[in-house]
Amino acid sequence: NAGVTQTPKFRILKIGQSMTLQCTQDMNHNYMYWYRQDPGMGLKLIYYSVGAGITDKGEVPNGYNVSRSTTEDFPLRLELAAPSQTSVYFCASSYSPRTNPDTQYFGPGTRLTVL
Amino acid sequence: KQEVTQIPAALSVPEGENLVLNCSFTDSAIYNLQWFRQDPGKGLTSLLLIQSSQREQTSGRLNASLDKSSGRSTLYIAASQPGDSATYLCAVSPSGGAGSYQLTFGKGTKLSVIP
Repeated sequence: NAGVTQTPKFRILKIGQSMTLQCTQDMNHNYMYWYRQDPGMGLKLIYYSVGAGITDKGEVPNGYNVSRSTTEDFPLRLELAAPSQTSVYFCASSYSPRTNPDTQYFGPGTRLTVL
Repeated sequence: KQEVTQIPAALSVPEGENLVLNCSFTDSAIYNLQWFRQDPGKGLTSLLLIQSSQREQTSGRLNASLDKSSGRSTLYIAASQPGDSATYLCAVSPSGGAGSYQLTFGKGTKLSVIP
């Protein structure tokens, strides 16, 4: 199993540009998450999904959009990039956090810089 | 709002020492607490997960304890090795209701084990 994969690994955007961060998991997990990690800070939840077709906001959703059309994929869309969105973005997945412990499996991250 | 604090922010120890990392949280109404390891430029790896009804969990040289009533957890690493050098993150999951999937992370403790 590849686990959770993210593309791209690095990206530089100009202010106002848009992009999609890709996330795919091959563990048949129903729950998926997007976090951002700013330097020296803990991770903050952007959006999460409890299954295909169902998404909900986390702590810091402004400036982002998500969709979940399949179990495997959970892309994160930045519509109008701003310098405040410079961060490392992590995608994670887990299987039914209430029937099993909430072990979340993380991807390697995407380092995004907005100039 | 839940807040998670980790002390110290950084720790440097000689190889072979036993060490303790601390995590405190402000709201004791948690579902579980997790300890993660993060290597530079990598994603997070789950080390230990403690359910709110448990007092401790052990995996190899790692032992995590939880005192929910006082809002504290410790991660004990025995006989430290240079390969243990990483950032260790603590995260709590709130109990019940909407947003139960939102992990709240601390900022982490950066551990360096000197050969």
